[in-house]
Amino acid sequence: QKEVEQNSGPLSVPEGAIASLNCTYSDRVSQSFFWYRQYSGKSPELIMSIYSNGDKEDGRFTAQLNKASQYVSLLIRDSQPSDSATYLCAVNPGGGSGGSNYKLTFGKGTLLTVNP
Amino acid sequence: GAVVSQHPSRVICKSGTSVKIECRSLDFQATTMFWYRQFPKQSLMLMATSNEGSKATYEQGVEKDKFLINHASLTLSTLTVTSAHPEDSSFYICSAPHYTTDTQYFGPGTRLTVL
Repeated sequence: QKEVEQNSGPLSVPEGAIASLNCTYSDRVSQSFFWYRQYSGKSPELIMSIYSNGDKEDGRFTAQLNKASQYVSLLIRDSQPSDSATYLCAVNPGGGSGGSNYKLTFGKGTLLTVNP
Repeated sequence: GAVVSQHPSRVICKSGTSVKIECRSLDFQATTMFWYRQFPKQSLMLMATSNEGSKATYEQGVEKDKFLINHASLTLSTLTVTSAHPEDSSFYICSAPHYTTDTQYFGPGTRLTVL
């Protein structure tokens, strides 16, 4: 069974610190990796996508992918109270056909709290 | 990013009635859309894959006769909760993949309350 694992948290960091969110996945042939942010009572919002090994930076966010270790992470620099949310790691295992080729497997999410 | 809308955003209905939720991709075409359900403080649960021009594919344990899905066009999928009961009260969210970016975009969700 294809699985995506995240620490459920809560992860608590002070304002201005670096928040590090981690995710592992079981399907070695997975192709695409995504981080979504979900505020309480709202739907998920795409933060980052990453497809190749290494780092990808976008503003205060950096996604890191290591396919050999089946590990993807999200770093949030200069954390702000507005970053407090649940962060969902999602993986496209690939191998499907037609529309199911885009089906994502989600982790259960990590709750991040940034304290002022 | 791409935009996906849902309507209504919130609905309250009596037990036994049916409720229809619309999901639209506003600036791109989507031959596939996904429907999720999320209970409070729980993770997203995929209910079904909506396929334009063919039957929806339901996840294990999801009753296809209770949750009717119709993918009427390349920009519209509907989820109808039939004979709704209080245990169907939940947050229903759709998503659509943007094929050129291999990225799924979520609608804002519909909060259903069945009295």
